[in-house]
Amino acid sequence: GAVVSQHPSWVICKSGTSVKIECRSLDFQATTMFWYRQFPKQSLMLMATSNEGSKATYEQGVEKDKFLINHASLTLSTLTVTSAHPEDSSFYICSASTTSHEQYFGPGTRLTVT
Amino acid sequence: AQSVTQLGSHVSVSEGALVLLRCNYSSSVPPYLFWYVQYPNQGLQLLLKYTTGATLVKGINGFEAEFKKSETSFHLTKPSAHMSDAAEYFCAVSPWVKAAGNKLTFGGGTRVLVKP
Repeated sequence: GAVVSQHPSWVICKSGTSVKIECRSLDFQATTMFWYRQFPKQSLMLMATSNEGSKATYEQGVEKDKFLINHASLTLSTLTVTSAHPEDSSFYICSASTTSHEQYFGPGTRLTVT
Repeated sequence: AQSVTQLGSHVSVSEGALVLLRCNYSSSVPPYLFWYVQYPNQGLQLLLKYTTGATLVKGINGFEAEFKKSETSFHLTKPSAHMSDAAEYFCAVSPWVKAAGNKLTFGGGTRVLVKP
């Protein structure tokens, strides 16, 4: 149980285009979903927290107009990287949480912007 | 505010030897503590967690960790390393107080190399 999927697992896009990443909780309803960014050989940095039906809360320094987060249902959250640039290339990981303190992580999405 | 420090970004152990990964935390409220493992190009898998109760926590794959409040530590151990333990390990803390949400703060990670 508690499986979280991400799609796509990897994506290459051209500079200036937008790319959407989906995060789904497959067998449970997630009250909260989190988006993280991970640079090579580094730790996870929380980008934003989203609750179903409400606006996401972004961490300091994260551009909310560039990283659009939508949490339309209790099983789906999306992250859209708008007008992507090479510096946005990274590994993006989502997690989903119920009312407990445990977060269940997706397998990650590797984004490469050329 | 919370923070997590993992001492040693890289640890090399021989197969069959003890694995010890150190984690110290700082938290203004009682913490929930977690250890996660990450294999290359994958997400995080929960090894074990401390919430309340017994301070010695046993997890998957033979790992265990002990919460020591006086030392603000949550070190991870495994008596005998296996080649499959080669991975990146992250310690994380979450506030116990529900009103603060359940955001995780991660340590910098420790990469474990297992030598045959």
